[in-house]
Amino acid sequence: EVVMTQSPATLSVSPGERATLSCRASQSVSSNLAWYQQRPGQAPRLLIYGGSTRATGIPARFSGSGSGTEFTLTISSLQSEDFAIYYCHQYNNWPPDTFGQGTKLEIK
Amino acid sequence: EVQLVQSGGVVVQPGGSLRLSCEASGFTFQEYTMHWVRQVPGKGLEWVSLITWDGDTTYYADSVKGRFTVSRDNSKNSLYLQMTGLRTVDSALYFCAKDIEEKDYGSAPFDYWGQGSLVTVSS
Repeated sequence: EVVMTQSPATLSVSPGERATLSCRASQSVSSNLAWYQQRPGQAPRLLIYGGSTRATGIPARFSGSGSGTEFTLTISSLQSEDFAIYYCHQYNNWPPDTFGQGTKLEIK
Repeated sequence: EVQLVQSGGVVVQPGGSLRLSCEASGFTFQEYTMHWVRQVPGKGLEWVSLITWDGDTTYYADSVKGRFTVSRDNSKNSLYLQMTGLRTVDSALYFCAKDIEEKDYGSAPFDYWGQGSLVTVSS
């Protein structure tokens, strides 16, 4: 099973600033990596897949990069609605699909 | 508009059984692999199961293998998760989720999710 490790666990950033979230895989997952946003009381929302492709309707301030074992989600200018929990998901070596433990993005 | 509407939450005793349902609309259900993912409130996401678009192939997490069965009825645009031998550790919010890729026999990102069904296993 591929273990996904996200860092940091909590990230405090001011609105308008840039946020950088990391996800590391215990073995290569190629570019088969997705990022999701989960707001309180809601289901996860797909942001990025294929490591760097934005999902339909996702604003350009969200970008993904990386391949192999190291991935990054960058939010270029934080809006109030971006403060949430973010999960990475590998779908390369399955079953099982595996998720990171999440990074909570909070207002500084 | 794509919608995945799940059955309501329930409380069940340890060792009990339960069937969750997920009704799809707004897309050609029979062409997409579907998944179940669960989340203990306040915790992370755990993939549970998938069923291919044609219903021919299923996969399960080791934690539920032999106890849970995923199925689908493409004529009713519905996905199901039959859960037996329930344990307290199975208590979670269960989400159904749609594969992003059409007629995929593997796994892929999940582009739409249901609202979740809260399962509480308690005596």
